[in-house]
Amino acid sequence: SQTIHQWPATLVQPVGSPLSLECTVEGTSNPNLYWYRQAAGRGLQLLFYSVGIGQISSEVPQNLSASRPQDRQFILSSKKLLLSDSGFYLCAWSGQLGTSPLSYNEQFFGPGTRLTVL
Amino acid sequence: GQNIDQPTEMTATEGAIVQINCTYQTSGFNGLFWYQQHAGEAPTFLSYNVLDGLEEKGRFSSFLSRSKGYSYLLLKELQMKDSASYLCAVRGSSNTGKLIFGQGTTLQVKP
Repeated sequence: SQTIHQWPATLVQPVGSPLSLECTVEGTSNPNLYWYRQAAGRGLQLLFYSVGIGQISSEVPQNLSASRPQDRQFILSSKKLLLSDSGFYLCAWSGQLGTSPLSYNEQFFGPGTRLTVL
Repeated sequence: GQNIDQPTEMTATEGAIVQINCTYQTSGFNGLFWYQQHAGEAPTFLSYNVLDGLEEKGRFSSFLSRSKGYSYLLLKELQMKDSASYLCAVRGSSNTGKLIFGQGTTLQVKP
């Protein structure tokens, strides 16, 4: 079965410090991968998505970046955090079109990282 | 532009039925999804509609009308544990699979 891991679960960082959040997926290959951010009481905002190794698309201009060094690894980074970067960060995966309908027609979310920037 | 609208909050009574509406305007359409999210947790998948009509899954049903850009999630026999946020999302592209989410509807179930 497929599982998705995120770490750390919670993080408190000072303004101006760097950030690295990691997401890994097990039990599937060549997934689509996504990073979302959710501000308190708000919906999910798509930040980045990736359809393959080294292929990153950015949805919202910001001081964050993403990388996909391996097929099932997705990393969210920042060189200098802002107060507005606080939020709940969620990684998700879905199957590619042409794979099983079950994995294509659903996005599976990781447990999330709650980031507080002070 | 792309827009997904759903009510911000709803309140219902335990044992009752509640309908959460979602309207959307997107540049493409390749499916509509409903997710449930309890406070502080990740969203969990509830339903998926790509063709018009009603999909039933236990106490939860989801309806889609593509011509009207409209969907609803129907929750029957409400339980206290159904208190959560319900997120409507549209998949615009089939290649990337990316979802556009609404702001979510916070449902409070009262005894």
